[in-house]
Amino acid sequence: DAGVTQTPRHEVAEKGQTIILKCEPVSGHNDLFWYRQTKIQGLELLSYFRSKSLMEDGGAFKDRFKAEMLNSSFSTLKIQPTEPKDSAVYLCASRSGTGEGQLYFGEGSKLTVL
Amino acid sequence: GEQVEQLPSILRVQERSSASINCTYENSASNYFPWYKQEPGENPKLIIDIRSNMERKQIQGLIVLLDKKAKRFSLHITDTQPADSAMYFCAASRMGYKLTFGTGTSLLVDP
Repeated sequence: DAGVTQTPRHEVAEKGQTIILKCEPVSGHNDLFWYRQTKIQGLELLSYFRSKSLMEDGGAFKDRFKAEMLNSSFSTLKIQPTEPKDSAVYLCASRSGTGEGQLYFGEGSKLTVL
Repeated sequence: GEQVEQLPSILRVQERSSASINCTYENSASNYFPWYKQEPGENPKLIIDIRSNMERKQIQGLIVLLDKKAKRFSLHITDTQPADSAMYFCAASRMGYKLTFGTGTSLLVDP
């Protein structure tokens, strides 16, 4: 079975650009999470979907970050406009529909904003 | 919501000694506490978890302790090996809700 797939693996953007990161969860998983990982803050939740419904968006990230789940097998995270402080690794994870158990993480998208 | 504090941020031990990482949480409704290990260049992977109906759980050389009264849980790695060197994240959640992670501990095991 395929795990969580994220694209692109690396992205370099100029300040002010719009970038879109993509995620395909594990087939059959109903929960999907977007996290931002930095050395200082660790793993910060950006968005949490259950059965395509947005359950939570990280309050501090509402301003320029928008996650969508267009169907049960595809999600996007849009950052608009990007700022240098957005440089981080963006991790997508999925979990089975029982709402408990292991999160399966993708390999991450490393974003560098110049 | 939930806030999870994790200490220490950096831990260095000698091979074959034990390593301990501590986490505290705020929300008394949290009832699920997993630990994830992230090796360099890899994504985080679940290594052990504990639910609130338990106080202790062990999988081989990994021991997790949970003190609900103090809202504290910890990971103990016995007989550490260089292969245990990695980032470790604790997390807390109510079952079925979002997972809130600690800020991570970088463990280095010296041979």
